[in-house]
Amino acid sequence: QSALTQPASVSGSPGQSITISCTGTSSDVGGYNYVSWYQQHPGKAPKLMIFDVTKRPSGVSNRFSGSKSGNTASLTISGLQAEDEADYYCCSYVSSSTVIFGGGTKLTVL
Amino acid sequence: EVQLVESGGGLVQPGGSLRLSCAASGFTFSSYWMSWVRQAPGRGLEWVANINQDGSEKYYVNSVKGRFTISRDNAKNSLFLQMNSLRAEDTAVYFCASSATPADFDYWGQGTLVTVSS
Repeated sequence: QSALTQPASVSGSPGQSITISCTGTSSDVGGYNYVSWYQQHPGKAPKLMIFDVTKRPSGVSNRFSGSKSGNTASLTISGLQAEDEADYYCCSYVSSSTVIFGGGTKLTVL
Repeated sequence: EVQLVESGGGLVQPGGSLRLSCAASGFTFSSYWMSWVRQAPGRGLEWVANINQDGSEKYYVNSVKGRFTISRDNAKNSLFLQMNSLRAEDTAVYFCASSATPADFDYWGQGTLVTVSS
C-alpha cells in the first residue's frame, strides 16, 4: 500500500490562507469518512488537528478546517500565523482497521 | 492529564529483538484502540500496528507482519510491541497513540528511538 499523496511543501504569508491536499484512492480516502490531519513541529509528537474529515478536536483553532471531494481530502488553514509553520500529515482508514498516512507537507510561513 | 510514555528503545543488531512499552494514564485505557506509529529519521509517519480495546483484534502493516506483535495489558494500562528479526529499515522513533476509532489518533507519546545497526 503506497502512502497517500501530499505536496512536499506549501508556503504562505501571515494572514493568508493555504490548502494542503491529500490524494488517495477509492479504497482509502474516497471510500470512508475517516480522514484525519496531524501537525508536527520539529522534534515533537504529532498533534491531531482534524478527524472524520471535518471535525475539530476541542482546543484546536477554528482557523483549521477539513474537507473531502472524491479521493482527495484537504486541510485549509486560514489567517496563517508563524506558529502554524510545521509538517502536516493526512491519514485515512483503509480497510480491516488498517490505516495509511500521507507523505507529509512542510508548511513555511513566509 | 492524558499521558503516554514509551520506553524500551535502543541500539540493536540486525536480526535482534526489542520490546517496546507504553504506559498510559489520565484516561480509561481499556476503552481505546491503541496503535504504534513510527517515523524514520527525516521521514514521514508510518502506521505500524493497532489493537482494539480488549486485545481480540490486531492489525499490522505488511512490512512487519510475522516479525512484530502488538499486545496490551488493560489491568496495567500498558501497551507493548515485541519486535523480532529487526532490520535496518526498522530504525525509527516509535510513537504509541490512542484513538476512539482505528483512524484518529487523539493522544501521542513522545516516542522512543529504535536503531538497528551493526
